[in-house]
Amino acid sequence: DIQMTQSPSSLSATIGDRVTITCRASQGMSNYLAWYQQKPGKVPKLLIYAASTLQSGVPSRFSGSGSGTDFTLTISSLQPEDVATYYCQKYNSAPLTFGGGTKVEIK
Amino acid sequence: EVQLLESGGGLVQPGGSLRLSCAASGFTFSSYAMSWVRQAPGKGLEWVSVISGSGGSTYYADSVKGRFTISRDNSMNTLFLQMNSLRAEDTAVYYCAKSYSGTSRAPFDSWGQGTLVTVSS
Repeated sequence: DIQMTQSPSSLSATIGDRVTITCRASQGMSNYLAWYQQKPGKVPKLLIYAASTLQSGVPSRFSGSGSGTDFTLTISSLQPEDVATYYCQKYNSAPLTFGGGTKVEIK
Repeated sequence: EVQLLESGGGLVQPGGSLRLSCAASGFTFSSYAMSWVRQAPGKGLEWVSVISGSGGSTYYADSVKGRFTISRDNSMNTLFLQMNSLRAEDTAVYYCAKSYSGTSRAPFDSWGQGTLVTVSS
């Protein structure tokens, strides 16, 4: 099975900073990659699918890139409401594995 | 508006069974694959199982294979998870999630609020 490894596991950044989270797959998986945001005490929310397609209603400061084994989620200008844990997920085939998560905090 | 409402969680002893339900509304239920995803207290997301829109295809995480069974009743717009031989490590909030399409090869665009399952003596 393909394993999904996210890094870093946590980060602290200043408002307005550019934030980058990476997700690495143990095998190639084309672009069947999604990113989710889970705010404290809330339900996960789909941000990006097909590695780089922004889900409707998601702010344009979020973007995704990558294909094959290496993927990136970027927040171009960190806002207070972006405090959350972010997860990548593969969906090319079962198991539909999630990465371990990246907790984003404000410095 | 898509709505997913889980029920059936609770406290169960190790080795016991529990059946979760997820009542869906706001979309054509039979057209979309559905999954169960769990989150242990303070931990990350763990995918548990997926079922295609027709119910003809099912897949499971290795951690639950042989113990959990996913099913759906498209006439009742309801998703189920039968959980047997429960272990302490199954303790988690269980979410039902709607896939973006009818097959399992799709991300989850809607989530329920979750139901807590606690396995303890």
